[in-house]
Amino acid sequence: ILNVEQSPQSLHVQEGDSTNFTCSFPSSNFYALHWYRWETAKSPEALFVMTLNGDEKKKGRISATLNTKEGYSYLYIKGSQPEDSATYLCASHSGGGADGLTFGKGTHLIIQP
Amino acid sequence: NAGVTQTPKFQVLKTGQSMTLQCAQDMNHEYMSWYRQDPGMGLRLIHYSVGAGITDQGEVPNGYNVSRSTTEDFPLRLLSAAPSQTSVYFCASSSGTPKNYGYTFGSGTRLTVV
Repeated sequence: ILNVEQSPQSLHVQEGDSTNFTCSFPSSNFYALHWYRWETAKSPEALFVMTLNGDEKKKGRISATLNTKEGYSYLYIKGSQPEDSATYLCASHSGGGADGLTFGKGTHLIIQP
Repeated sequence: NAGVTQTPKFQVLKTGQSMTLQCAQDMNHEYMSWYRQDPGMGLRLIHYSVGAGITDQGEVPNGYNVSRSTTEDFPLRLLSAAPSQTSVYFCASSSGTPKNYGYTFGSGTRLTVV
């Protein structure tokens, strides 16, 4: 069983500020790193899937980076808006991609107007 | 395009009862998996499948059975429900290359065992 850890557990950010949070995962047998956004009363929604060391992906004001050698990924949100309030999950495969995902416990982000 | 459909949305069971949580996807995805979500625990993998006729255990498989007779359907069976199985259950699917597309989740089934 992989150990995927996210920090911080929760985060309060003022509207308009930028923020970032961390996902750490085992670097051995790395296959892919997923980020999901999970709004209350909805289902997790895929944001990014990253596979290569040094990968950077962007979707609007949200971006992510990947370091597979040291086993961490950062998610950045620029100019936070109230609609960014959600729990952000990262997840990794244990190997080969033929299995399901091991999720971290998430970072609960609250944007304060 | 319905995506991933889970039924029922809510269910209350008595201890010892059995039931099947249904999951169907219409995207011709090969990969399907079941997760449970408990407070403070995050999403934990119960069972997964890489295609019809192929299933395997995840992190917390005890008390659950699965089968994959078709590409579309991946039901989760609780054989004898226990209060510890009170949880929200999510089904997810992905194309044959989850590293490219990620997983699509269903809306969840909230199960209470009394």
